[in-house]
Amino acid sequence: QVQLIQSGAEVKKPGASVKVSCKASAFTFTDYYIHWVRQAPGQGLEWLGWITPNSGVTHYAQKFQGRVTLTRDTSISTAYMQLSGLRYDDTAVYFCARRWNKSFYYFDYWGQGTLVSVSS
Amino acid sequence: QSVLTQPPSASGTPGQRVTISCSGSRFNIGSGIVNWYQQFPGTAPKLLINNDHQRPSGVPDRFSGSKSGTSASLSISGLQSEDEADYYCEAWDDRVNGPVFGGGTTLTVL
Repeated sequence: QVQLIQSGAEVKKPGASVKVSCKASAFTFTDYYIHWVRQAPGQGLEWLGWITPNSGVTHYAQKFQGRVTLTRDTSISTAYMQLSGLRYDDTAVYFCARRWNKSFYYFDYWGQGTLVSVSS
Repeated sequence: QSVLTQPPSASGTPGQRVTISCSGSRFNIGSGIVNWYQQFPGTAPKLLINNDHQRPSGVPDRFSGSKSGTSASLSISGLQSEDEADYYCEAWDDRVNGPVFGGGTTLTVL
């Protein structure tokens, strides 16, 4: 069955960087956009950006421009999200999710989430 | 401040019908489709309604969606205790070339 399996929880100090992985299985990785969405404790969903695994083209939410980098390794069907210059308010669960295309589509599968805690 | 506006909470008694609204603009809901996700504590969101009103396989027909202009709504009929969850609307926004979400609605079954 389709799965997106994310890497484990991370604890980082302010100013550090974190890299979260998202491994896809049971579907053609390069056919879908992979998006990253985060959820701070007790808060709603916030979109960070997307990557097209086929070409590696990326697009980021303006709020995270310059701090977030999305990459992928098609040989192992894995997408990565790196967030730099971590702040306390970056503490959140980070999700990857797949989407067939843009406006007339939806997130049909999500990763299980990765908790990133920023603490001194 | 979320781009799409949802009420923060909703409630109903078992068997009742509850409706959750989602308001946007011509740049998102007004120019595309609306999707709804259900989320239980500690888990990832799950697709509940896609393309305004379509139910993915396995979603009970108690859940329905509709859209008119720049607003959408999710209705749950025959409310059950297991429907207690957070519900999020989502639509593509041409201004950001990405999805935008509502702030989420916490549904309580009294």
